[in-house]
Amino acid sequence: AQRVTQPEKLLSVFKGAPVELKCNYSYSGSPELFWYVQYSRQRLQLLLRHISRESIKGFTADLNKGETSFHLKKPFAQEEDSAMYYCAPLDSGGSNYKLTFGKGTLLTVNP
Amino acid sequence: EPEVTQTPSHQVTQMGQEVILRCVPISNHLYFYWYRQILGQKVEFLVSFYNNEISEKSEIFDDQFSVERPDGSNFTLKIRSTKLEDSAMYFCASRVTGGTEAFFGQGTRLTVV
Repeated sequence: AQRVTQPEKLLSVFKGAPVELKCNYSYSGSPELFWYVQYSRQRLQLLLRHISRESIKGFTADLNKGETSFHLKKPFAQEEDSAMYYCAPLDSGGSNYKLTFGKGTLLTVNP
Repeated sequence: EPEVTQTPSHQVTQMGQEVILRCVPISNHLYFYWYRQILGQKVEFLVSFYNNEISEKSEIFDDQFSVERPDGSNFTLKIRSTKLEDSAMYFCASRVTGGTEAFFGQGTRLTVV
């Protein structure tokens, strides 16, 4: 069965500290992986995807196929990064492209 | 910037009643989805819809659920006879052909009492 694990339900750091949100996946084939973010009272929105290898809002995520991980990192957290973060592999079987979400990690960045 | 919109933002209904949750996907998107999130749990896929038919549905999407695109802009999720365990946040999403990014609505909180 396809599965994604975000082991930390809550993560609290101070402003300026590095942050790493962990994600491990168990998937057949080579899924496309995403991080979605939900700021307070806002909708789920795409933060970044592994194929673009880009940095968004200072966040990066490297796909490690050997460890089946896709951890999200930022070297210096900001208060506005406080949000719920979801790791989500994309199941591209057929053309449905449905997402399988992890349970999410609530990141709190303290001043 | 175009957005997926959902109405209502909050719906309270009595057990056994029918509810219809409404979504207006982004106008040039052709793939539509419903997800739900029970409080404290993860976001779960319910159903995907393309070309006026269901393309995939999860085990959660039983006979009590149905989806429809009644016109060129709306995409609805109907729960025929609500149960307490249907209480959740329901998210609509849409995707453009050839794209992989799903654009989400702000959600409808359904409370079944």
